[in-house]
Amino acid sequence: NAGVTQTPKFQVLKTGQSMTLQCAQDMNHEYMSWYRQDPGMGLRLIHYSVGAGITDQGEVPNGYNVSRSTTEDFPLRLLSAAPSQTSVYFCASSSTLGGSGNTIYFGEGSWLTVV
Amino acid sequence: AQSVTQLDSQVPVFEEAPVELRCNYSSSVSVYLFWYVQYPNQGLQLLLKYLSGSTLVKGINGFEAEFNKSQTSFHLRKPSVHISDTAEYFCAVSAVGNTGFQKLVFGTGTRLLVSP
Repeated sequence: NAGVTQTPKFQVLKTGQSMTLQCAQDMNHEYMSWYRQDPGMGLRLIHYSVGAGITDQGEVPNGYNVSRSTTEDFPLRLLSAAPSQTSVYFCASSSTLGGSGNTIYFGEGSWLTVV
Repeated sequence: AQSVTQLDSQVPVFEEAPVELRCNYSSSVSVYLFWYVQYPNQGLQLLLKYLSGSTLVKGINGFEAEFNKSQTSFHLRKPSVHISDTAEYFCAVSAVGNTGFQKLVFGTGTRLLVSP
């Protein structure tokens, strides 16, 4: 009963380093997305995908890259980490059926600190 | 555009007392509303959601929420809280873009602190 799996859970990066946050879901969902959570700001959408090979930008895409080669996986790449990217990152997935009322399932989160 | 306002950033309450976490929304289209809970160092878990029908929605762990269209509110309530309810609670409204992708627009969260 895995649902949405994210790795790593905790990571410390130096400014300028790059890294990839991994996300996988086993529910055969077409929709996948990445949010970041910052104190006092709730969760904000970074990038999303409506299916394999199709991605688009959310509210705060700068400094991040995504690709979707399979239905299951949706990695988030930080190209050159900056302290402003210190945050908690959540991967999410949902079905295309049911429209706006679908439940969106979240992973356990990845706590990233950039020093 | 949809938006959500959570009026209280932190709500302290004693164990076994009732609690209400307030949420107001703004939406120009049909409204689908959600409450999620985040326990310390964990992911988001769905508490309940309102799609249509009865304005009183029951969720997990004894929580319920009431949809009020005239007041554009979706407040979360629990008649008697436990220490284990200490967590951050997020209200969210669903928004669908041109591609059909459903995203959630979140409020800033309310931290519920339950003390003995």
